[in-house]
Amino acid sequence: DAKTTQPPSMDCAEGRAANLPCNHSTISGNEYVYWYRQIHSQGPQYIIHGLKNNETNEMASLIITEDRKSSTLILPHATLRDTAVYYCIVRVKAAGNKLTFGGGTRVLVKP
Amino acid sequence: DTAVSQTPKYLVTQMGNDKSIKCEQNLGHDTMYWYKQDSKKFLKIMFSYNNKELIINETVPNRFSPKSPDKAHLNLHINSLELGDSAVYFCASSQDAGYGYTFGSGTRLTVV
Repeated sequence: DAKTTQPPSMDCAEGRAANLPCNHSTISGNEYVYWYRQIHSQGPQYIIHGLKNNETNEMASLIITEDRKSSTLILPHATLRDTAVYYCIVRVKAAGNKLTFGGGTRVLVKP
Repeated sequence: DTAVSQTPKYLVTQMGNDKSIKCEQNLGHDTMYWYKQDSKKFLKIMFSYNNKELIINETVPNRFSPKSPDKAHLNLHINSLELGDSAVYFCASSQDAGYGYTFGSGTRLTVV
């Protein structure tokens, strides 16, 4: 699976959009971009995933650059409950294929 | 109903003991996983089962033995516990197509 690079931490103001960058310059054509988050002491939570088109769901939006070498997770209106570690992972979408977690970005949403 | 449930939530035990952690999922997923999160907060996969068959076995001491009696259950048995086994262990499940994983709430194991 391709390696990802994320900033170790970032702060965000409550009510504002949080834009979380991820670089994955060695991504292969069949690898998807997945985002998960882990709120303190809880299990990781799936947020969103995509291949090359931008994706949106009730939690977030995922913007993938045209060359697929980077992506941005957008939390449109951050709340205090969005404080968590966010993980960007690239992997082949295949049966049983493992998720390999990196260090993630520690996001602190401030009032 | 909890989608992926692990028991116990906390486990404190002495070195050298044998312990088991149980995991059950009611999502109808075919694949289940065990992850370990150590004190530095890195999440590492240990095992993966697909329809009761072991498909991923990372470099884990053979004191760790997963068992899957059916596709809804994946238990983790640990023999001769060591101090370094102290960590949070997460169970997860996913559909065959590798869609999003659903994680349990974790089991905090402390070996004293």
